[in-house]
Order: sequence, then C-alpha cells, then structure tokens
Amino acid sequence: DAGVTQSPTHLIKTRGQQVTLRCSPKSGHDTVSWYQQALGQGPQFIFQYYEEEERQRGNFPDRFSGHQFPNYSSELNVNALLLGDSALYLCASSLFWGGSPLHFGNGTRLTVT
Amino acid sequence: DQQVKQNSPSLSVQEGRISILNCDYTNSMFDYFLWYKKYPAEGPTFLISISSIKDKNEDGRFTVFLNKSAKHLSLHIVPSQPGDSAVYFCAASARSGSGAGSYQLTFGKGTKLSVIP
Repeated sequence: DAGVTQSPTHLIKTRGQQVTLRCSPKSGHDTVSWYQQALGQGPQFIFQYYEEEERQRGNFPDRFSGHQFPNYSSELNVNALLLGDSALYLCASSLFWGGSPLHFGNGTRLTVT
Repeated sequence: DQQVKQNSPSLSVQEGRISILNCDYTNSMFDYFLWYKKYPAEGPTFLISISSIKDKNEDGRFTVFLNKSAKHLSLHIVPSQPGDSAVYFCAASARSGSGAGSYQLTFGKGTKLSVIP
C-alpha cells in the first residue's frame, strides 16, 4: 500500500523563477493538503484540495497556487520565487469524510538562491 | 501570533524512563489535537490524537492528556526507547469546517526528544 509520494526530493531555483511540486496521495485518500515547513518551525498550512477544488487556504499569497487532478494527485505551484520561499514543502493526504489523521509525504526541499 | 506552543525545544531522557512532552494552545475553537513524530529526511508520522470530549487517550506506550481549562496537552511515552528519538510536533485543529476531513492543522515548533541508552 503506497503512502504519500512527493517529487522531486530536492530542488534549487533562482529568485523570480517558478516551481511546480507534485504529490500522489495515499491509496484510498481523496483529499490533499500542502504545508510549508521553514527551518526550525512547525509545518504551516498552505491550502487543501478536495474534488479538484481548493477548499481551505492558509495565510499565503496568491503566488502560491495549486491543482488537484481526477486521480486525486496534486501540484503546488509557486511563482516569482523569493529567498524566503526556501523551505520543506510537505504534502498530506486524508479522507474528506473519514475524519482520518493526515498522512504526510517525505517532502520536497526547495532552495531559492 | 503562535496559537500552538511547544516551549521546550529539546528534551533528554534515559532509556526506560518516562518522557513528557508539553504543548499549550490559545485558540479556544480547537477541538482536535494530534501528536506527530518526525525523523530527519522523513515526513511527520501520526502518533496519537485526542478529541476535546476526552481528557485522556492511550495507545500502547503513548498516552495523551488534555486539560481544556488550562489549554494544555501532554504526551507521555513510557518506557522511552532509543528509537523514540525524534522531533515531536503538537498539532491542533477546529473540526467544525465544511466536512469531517476538511480540517487544517496548526502546528507547534516541535520538541526534539533524545533518549539516551
């Protein structure tokens, strides 16, 4: 039973560039959430997707956008990268109506230079 | 404004003894609390949760206690093992959203637990 998978594992980008991160949820899950974890901090909620729609959004600018596909996988896009966007980006999946705890992937380490 | 606080960045405990990790929250709307464990280069792994209608939940060596009046929860690990060495995150949510699964988690900064053999 595959867990949450994220790609790529690591990424280095330059300020001003755009980046796309990908996530496949745990088998059987239909909801994907994205979190940003800066160094020394806890994960911070970016947004959540269910039925291909953004359902909730945290306190992140519009430069952060996402998408969910019919197979429940998801992408996180960040435009106009800033140095402060350097962080570990975590994808988590769950069942929308199941009340299950979030299952996290191992994350994508993004470095902006 | 940190709504979930873990005031101890680190904790060292001897193998076989009890580990107690603490967490405080400020948002009275939080009604569901979770503990996650994180090893380096891995994502957080769910450990145990508690609903606000309970004050204690046990799962093997792990017990979570919730004191709603004090807005405080704690995780007890008994006995502690070297494999428990990791960063522990406390998380909270208000599950009164549009659906049971549509909750977002607010995390603390984590406590690094070191269990010494």
